[in-house]
This record gives sequence, C-alpha cells and structure tokens, in this order.
Amino acid sequence: DQQVKQNSPSLSVQEGRISILNCDYTNSMFDYFLWYKKYPAEGPTFLISISSIKDKNEDGRFTVFLNKSAKHLSLHIVPSQPGDSAVYFCAARATQGGSEKLVFGKGTKLTVNP
Amino acid sequence: NAGVMQNPRHLVRRRGQEARLRCSPMKGHSHVYWYRQLPEEGLKFMVYLQKENIIDESGMPKERFSAEFPKEGPSILRIQQVVRGDSAAYFCASSPLGGRSNQPQHFGDGTRLSIL
Repeated sequence: DQQVKQNSPSLSVQEGRISILNCDYTNSMFDYFLWYKKYPAEGPTFLISISSIKDKNEDGRFTVFLNKSAKHLSLHIVPSQPGDSAVYFCAARATQGGSEKLVFGKGTKLTVNP
Repeated sequence: NAGVMQNPRHLVRRRGQEARLRCSPMKGHSHVYWYRQLPEEGLKFMVYLQKENIIDESGMPKERFSAEFPKEGPSILRIQQVVRGDSAAYFCASSPLGGRSNQPQHFGDGTRLSIL
C-alpha cells in the first residue's frame, strides 16, 4: 500500500524552463511534507518543506504547493538548471504515537538539458 | 563537515555473516532514523531512536535486525545472518528535535551493503 505516489518516473526539461514534479498521497493524517534531491551514490539532500496549514512555500527557485483537498503537492523549479538534474523524492510525515517517520515516494528522475 | 556521518560507505558480506552499520548524527541532533532503499524504490523507514531509546521500530524486520543508539558513540544498525535480500543502501538521518517541530531530517550518504 503506497501512501505517497510519484507517478512520473522521469521528466526532461530544457534549461531555463520550469520543472514541475508531482506527488499524491492517500493518508489524511500526514501533516508535514518535504522534497529531497538525490544524486547517485549520495544521500538525499533536503530542499524544501511545507506544513499542512499552508498551501505554498517558496525558497529561491523552488516553490512547493499543497492542495489538501486533492491530497496533492507539487514542486516547481524555475528557471531549471543542468545542475538540478537528479532524482527528486517527495516525503510525508506520519506523526503517530510520537514517531517522526517519513514516508517516501519512489522518486522522479529530472533531467535538465542545456 | 558537520553532516551525518555513516560508515562504512560500502560493505560486502557473505551469506550468514553479520553486518554492522554505523551512524553519527549531526552535532546537536539527538534523534536518529534508519531507512533502507532497494534499487528503483524509495526509501523505506526502519527505525527511529533517541539516545538509549527505541521510539518506533515498526519498519524493522522481526528477526535478524536490531538497532541501538547508546549514550555515548554512534547509532548502530546490526543485521545478523545476512541473506541476499538484505542487499540495499541503508541511510541514516538525524534531526534536532522530535514532536511537532517541523524540522527536516538530514541524511548521510548511506552504506551500500552487498551480500555475496
């Protein structure tokens, strides 16, 4: 039972354009959402997060949007740069009984072409 | 580099041996999490620990796997009598606070475990 879904395994965009990565979730108890970026042979690097009380959070070129009614969030990167090429993971926190565990999607591989 | 430190980066074991993976959290972080990633999959939660306490081990296999985070020293993930299916990347993460702190978890670069 996959509670966090990233339905696009890959995405290719041109440098300078917008990249939009999508994520859907099923558990209405999730209260905190995060995006991580991962290069091969490295650990995930935290990018940006959003609390369930907000619908948008922006940090430089990165913006995360949350639509709670649709149980959907998206990461916008604009303008996209070749260095953004990586696998992007969406994660959600399930705070149950004091645990802080994150539930991850399977990731979307972003390729930004020069 | 004050990030999450994991060692070894690569570990090769034969079936039936023991694997010990170590994780030193970021300075000032007292919460440690272990995740496992199989090829082409996302990270799967295994266990959440604070100093000397296991808070949530709901993702740990019932047998052969154990974790600890002693008062002194790194957190250890221990896999006894390894099997081929244990081959994966194991990531450790840490955070400074628990509860509803909205603090992100920061990850180490992982240990790639290969079972021959």
